[in-house]
Amino acid sequence: AQSVTQPDIHITVSEGASLELRCNYSYGATPYLFWYVQSPGQGLQLLLKYFSGDTLVQGIKGFEAEFKRSQSSFNLRKPSVHWSDAAEYFCAVGARTGGSYIPTFGRGTSLIVHP
Amino acid sequence: NAGVTQTPKFQVLKTGQSMTLQCAQDMNHEYMSWYRQDPGMGLRLIHYSVGAGITDQGEVPNGYNVSRSTTEDFPLRLLSAAPSQTSVYFCASRPTQRNYGYTFGSGTRLTVV
Repeated sequence: AQSVTQPDIHITVSEGASLELRCNYSYGATPYLFWYVQSPGQGLQLLLKYFSGDTLVQGIKGFEAEFKRSQSSFNLRKPSVHWSDAAEYFCAVGARTGGSYIPTFGRGTSLIVHP
Repeated sequence: NAGVTQTPKFQVLKTGQSMTLQCAQDMNHEYMSWYRQDPGMGLRLIHYSVGAGITDQGEVPNGYNVSRSTTEDFPLRLLSAAPSQTSVYFCASRPTQRNYGYTFGSGTRLTVV
């Protein structure tokens, strides 16, 4: 069965600093990979996705992620963090569940941004 | 353009009561799913549907029922609420194409006392 690991429960960065959130997955075939963001009291919003092609993908709000097959990773990055980026971030792998592709989510990383 | 609409936003139930969480989408998406979110646990799949009349169980289906009579609606039923079902519930939908991400509703916060 597929699984997703986000090793960092909390990450604290200063505004303007760079950011990298880690995500590792376990799946036997090429997965579909996603990053979502959840602001307090809100639903999840899709930041970016990877399913084939260029391993560096660009998303909304200035985020990017790189798929590394050899490391089974899909880390999320942003060169300069803004205070409004403080939120919960979820990595997900879209893998076969029964006969369908349903995403499995990691436990999330909470991003705290200091002024 | 409403997207995915969940009602109610908040609910308090007594142990043993039943209720239905409503979910509706106006994007003509075939796939719909219900997740529950608990602190430190991420999102766990309860039930999902790949089209009207077709549903299947996810990771944590016990205590929940679903049906999908139309493309638009995917209600989640709690038959006899238990304190362990205290959680935030999210409904999500996507098109058939597997490389699309899900569109999420804003959630229902349920407390069972």
